[in-house]
Amino acid sequence: DTAVSQTPKYLVTQMGNDKSIKCEQNLGHDTMYWYKQDSKKFLKIMFSYNNKELIINETVPNRFSPKSPDKAHLNLHINSLELGDSAVYFCASSQDVRASEQYFGPGTRLTVT
Amino acid sequence: EDKVVQSPLSLVVHEGDTVTLNCSYEVTNFRSLLWYKQEKKAPTFLFMLTSSGIEKKSGRLSSILDKKELFSILNITATQTGDSAIYLCAVAGNTGKLIFGQGTTLQVKP
Repeated sequence: DTAVSQTPKYLVTQMGNDKSIKCEQNLGHDTMYWYKQDSKKFLKIMFSYNNKELIINETVPNRFSPKSPDKAHLNLHINSLELGDSAVYFCASSQDVRASEQYFGPGTRLTVT
Repeated sequence: EDKVVQSPLSLVVHEGDTVTLNCSYEVTNFRSLLWYKQEKKAPTFLFMLTSSGIEKKSGRLSSILDKKELFSILNITATQTGDSAIYLCAVAGNTGKLIFGQGTTLQVKP
């Protein structure tokens, strides 16, 4: 009965590599999000998609590229990984773009060495 | 610039104590304020508040919003060790994105 799922849960990789994180929600929601939580536990939004369309794009390096093949999926691809990209990345979804209540996935802990 | 500030940043109490967590905010076109609890993994939703002065309650947790003074409190009565977590406050404006505070880390000792 997983509502928002992410894979992988843990990702350890070297600087310069390219990696992807996948997210899927089975709630029938229209809107999905990617957040980054740093070592101080501060959660910050990166991107938001509504029905496969990008609606929020915060100041994020263009090495980060989200892709939404359909409204139930939002993947995050990161090129040329840097040490500072190490964080926990959370996917979330909400009923639609007006709904404030967001449901979070379990997170992907990315460690760049 | 939109911002959310929580206090205290961390808190250590003993089981049975009552705690009050604070959240103040500045946001353009406020729509709602949300509280989340984060244990080891994903933040889990606790409350969403949109109107001033109306208390929301769930078991030992309750929360209220003051839109005039731009703050909210989260109360936990008769704390238990299972309440140990990071409590996150977030505010939604009309853009749909949530602005999070830095969180309050609560540790409840037996």
